[in-house]
Amino acid sequence: QKEVEQDPGPLSVPEGAIVSLNCTYSNSAFQYFMWYRQYSRKGPELLMYTYSSGNKEDGRFTAQVDKSSKYISLFIRDSQPSDSATYLCAMSAFRGSTLGRLYFGRGTQLTVWP
Amino acid sequence: NAGVTQTPKFQVLKTGQSMTLQCAQDMNHEYMSWYRQDPGMGLRLIHYSVGAGITDQGEVPNGYNVSRSTTEDFPLRLLSAAPSQTSVYFCASSYGPGQGSFIQYFGAGTRLSVL
Repeated sequence: QKEVEQDPGPLSVPEGAIVSLNCTYSNSAFQYFMWYRQYSRKGPELLMYTYSSGNKEDGRFTAQVDKSSKYISLFIRDSQPSDSATYLCAMSAFRGSTLGRLYFGRGTQLTVWP
Repeated sequence: NAGVTQTPKFQVLKTGQSMTLQCAQDMNHEYMSWYRQDPGMGLRLIHYSVGAGITDQGEVPNGYNVSRSTTEDFPLRLLSAAPSQTSVYFCASSYGPGQGSFIQYFGAGTRLSVL
């Protein structure tokens, strides 16, 4: 079993829809939770990060972490065609031998059509 | 700042050939990593380094070698290329512990085909 599980999709939604992307994980040592966005033929770029549990909002994007369920989510409101990309969740431990190492989900491919 | 620079952008090799993928960063980051990305597999860690002279293996290290003689550079060597190493390779860097080590900055990638 991979440490981070993510449904690869693909996910296709109309412009203006609310998008929900999710990941589950098994390692309770993870404390930092990130979402990366990757456009076609480009490198991933950090979209948002959250430390421990709770919500974080940045414009149309909201990241949620539920450590008790080992479940994280990214919500995109009023989705736009420019949001079409692959979204990867990533996690990191706060301390220990794997400090600084990221564990990625497989990525979810999202298409927003006009 | 150029960020993380990877060269070459594309490469075609024959089975058994060796080559080095170059990665350089100008952000004075302590941590550097190499990933490969295959369809449906996401990003898989090959090797990483927490500072000059210190490297460690990731998930899929077999067939690859790394060294870190300077803070800026982290080359990845393919010892004897195999078709299974056809992939897109990404280099990433981040600050050291306590300074956002979890926020990694990625290069644009190297697309490698092994025939």
